Amino acid sequence: GAGVSQSPSNKVTEKGKDVELRCDPISGHTALYWYRQSLGQGLEFLIYFQGNSAPDKSGLPSDRFSAERTGGSVSTLTIQRTQQEDSAVYLCASSLGGYGTQYFGPGTRLLVL
Amino acid sequence: GQQLNQSPQSMFIQEGEDVSMNCTSSSIFNTWLWYKQDPGEGPVLLIALYKAGELTSNGRLTAQFGITRKDSFLNISASIPSDVGIYFCAGPGGGATNKLIFGTGTLLAVQP
Repeated sequence: GAGVSQSPSNKVTEKGKDVELRCDPISGHTALYWYRQSLGQGLEFLIYFQGNSAPDKSGLPSDRFSAERTGGSVSTLTIQRTQQEDSAVYLCASSLGGYGTQYFGPGTRLLVL
Repeated sequence: GQQLNQSPQSMFIQEGEDVSMNCTSSSIFNTWLWYKQDPGEGPVLLIALYKAGELTSNGRLTAQFGITRKDSFLNISASIPSDVGIYFCAGPGGGATNKLIFGTGTLLAVQP
């Protein structure tokens, strides 16, 4: 069955450039989460979408980070003016409802040179 | 804010050995989750615990929700090479959403 998919798998960019990371959640899942995993660290919550409710953006580290979810399905995480410390694996998860089990995608590995 | 301390950071064991790892929180949790992450993949939920004192098994894996509600343990019996990966504990991050906070992970290496 189709799980959470993310693209691209890997992204190398130069400092100062903008990047867009995409997440396709499991069909029918109303909740979508973005997490960041730095090298050797656990996952750090970034942002949460649930249905038509206002997103929980409390984990976004700076105003260079933004995310949107169109049509209650696909989500895009945008990082503007990337910095080297933005290098990490960006993981997306979705769940059936706001308190269901979170299923993770394979992540996008971002390297900022 | 809430923090999860996970130990050990890494373990290098022989196939067939049993493994124990634990996670402690600075505050009380109502739910404890254990995830495994294979290289190049996202974490996969192994076991979920919802009640203090609860002991739950999933095959060779057993996890316990500590009585104090500030800790949890994961045991793997008779390890096999495919147990290799990073194991994370996680719990509710607070607030009105289901965001999770994660421990720093335990890297498990199993030598055949």
